[in-house]
Amino acid sequence: NAGVTQTPKFRVLKTGQSMTLLCAQDMNHEYMYWYRQDPGMGLRLIHYSVGEGTTAKGEVPDGYNVSRLKKQNFLLGLESAAPSQTSVYFCASSYEGVQPQHFGDGTRLSIL
Amino acid sequence: RKEVEQDPGPFNVPEGATVAFNCTYSNSASQSFFWYRQDCRKEPKLLMSVYSSGNEDGRFTAQLNRASQYISLLIRDSKLSDSATYLCVARRGNKLTFGTGTQLKVEL
Repeated sequence: NAGVTQTPKFRVLKTGQSMTLLCAQDMNHEYMYWYRQDPGMGLRLIHYSVGEGTTAKGEVPDGYNVSRLKKQNFLLGLESAAPSQTSVYFCASSYEGVQPQHFGDGTRLSIL
Repeated sequence: RKEVEQDPGPFNVPEGATVAFNCTYSNSASQSFFWYRQDCRKEPKLLMSVYSSGNEDGRFTAQLNRASQYISLLIRDSKLSDSATYLCVARRGNKLTFGTGTQLKVEL
């Protein structure tokens, strides 16, 4: 019973490099979310999806893109990484938008 | 002003003590509320939902005051294992807004 799985767990990038973070859930949840967590800022919503094939912007979407080609997967892309994107990234999912969200264990990303 | 505000703490309490956290929210359109717990370098985990009538789960009691726009969490008989950061969360539509958390340290 894996729940929400994020890969990779850690990554160091150089400025300008690109990468994709993968989130997979096995709970048949419709809704999926990507957050970033920075000291003193709390969790902030980057992008979210209310179902397969849909995506929407959250509070801090600039510099990120997402895709939800399959219901169980939600990908977060950084096209040209910047030091300001150094953060801990969490993926979450929920059965419906009104239900509590279940989180993955995070990806620690450092951009040099 | 942040949409959800919490005292960052830390609250240092002895084992067995009762401790209470408050959280205020600014958007009256917020529809429901949760408390999440986050251990150091771990993911947030749902602790409990917060209902208008108040609700209890073992040693934990949550209250919502819509008129004053605040939420509270009471922990009785604190355990060492309760040491964590407690996140207050407000839902509006299908989005959650998280507070920055209140840190609790339970000591021997």
